Amino acid sequence: EDQVTQSPEALRLQEGESSSLNCSYTVSGLRGLFWYRQDPGKGPEFLFTLYSAGEEKEKERLKATLTKKESFLHITAPKPEDSATYLCAVQGSAGNNRKLIWGLGTSLAVNP
Amino acid sequence: DTEVTQTPKHLVMGMTNKKSLKCEQHMGHRAMYWYKQKAKKPPELMFVYSYEKLSINESVPSRFSPECPNSSLLNLHLHALQPEDSALYLCASSRPGPLGETQYFGPGTRLLVL
Repeated sequence: EDQVTQSPEALRLQEGESSSLNCSYTVSGLRGLFWYRQDPGKGPEFLFTLYSAGEEKEKERLKATLTKKESFLHITAPKPEDSATYLCAVQGSAGNNRKLIWGLGTSLAVNP
Repeated sequence: DTEVTQTPKHLVMGMTNKKSLKCEQHMGHRAMYWYKQKAKKPPELMFVYSYEKLSINESVPSRFSPECPNSSLLNLHLHALQPEDSALYLCASSRPGPLGETQYFGPGTRLLVL
């Protein structure tokens, strides 16, 4: 069964304190792993798509990496405005390839 | 431009009302989605339209009725909802990638059913 597990559930950092969020997955034939950022009461904001093990993508203070079993979202020198829930989702080859399997998210709080 | 727009932003309705949620995208995406999201949960897929045809219905109750008038517009008609249907309703559209499809979400409609 396709499954996504994110850890930690919640993370509190001081401004400038770098850290990583984890997304472990099991899926039949990975077609894509997606990271989103979601602020309270708003829709998820797309961050990255990763397709194959070894792939890395960066955007400002964020860097996403992918292995055959997990993905990491590295946050370098975070700022308070990085506070949000970070969601990970995968798309597998079984069934309809438009359906995403979601993790429960990591709630990140960055203190000034 | 990766913008999906949704109206209204907020909606309060009684259990006997009929209302509609609207979604629009001008990115040329050919797949559009409706999701429901409860607090502290990930989005839950409701419907998928592909090339203006309904391709996925995740066993959603008939009080929710989707409509795709054209490739840029998606509606969700609501009738006789229950208080437990109160949630954030999200629209998304997607474009094909090398393998899978990246979905882009709108800001959502916050629905309260009294």
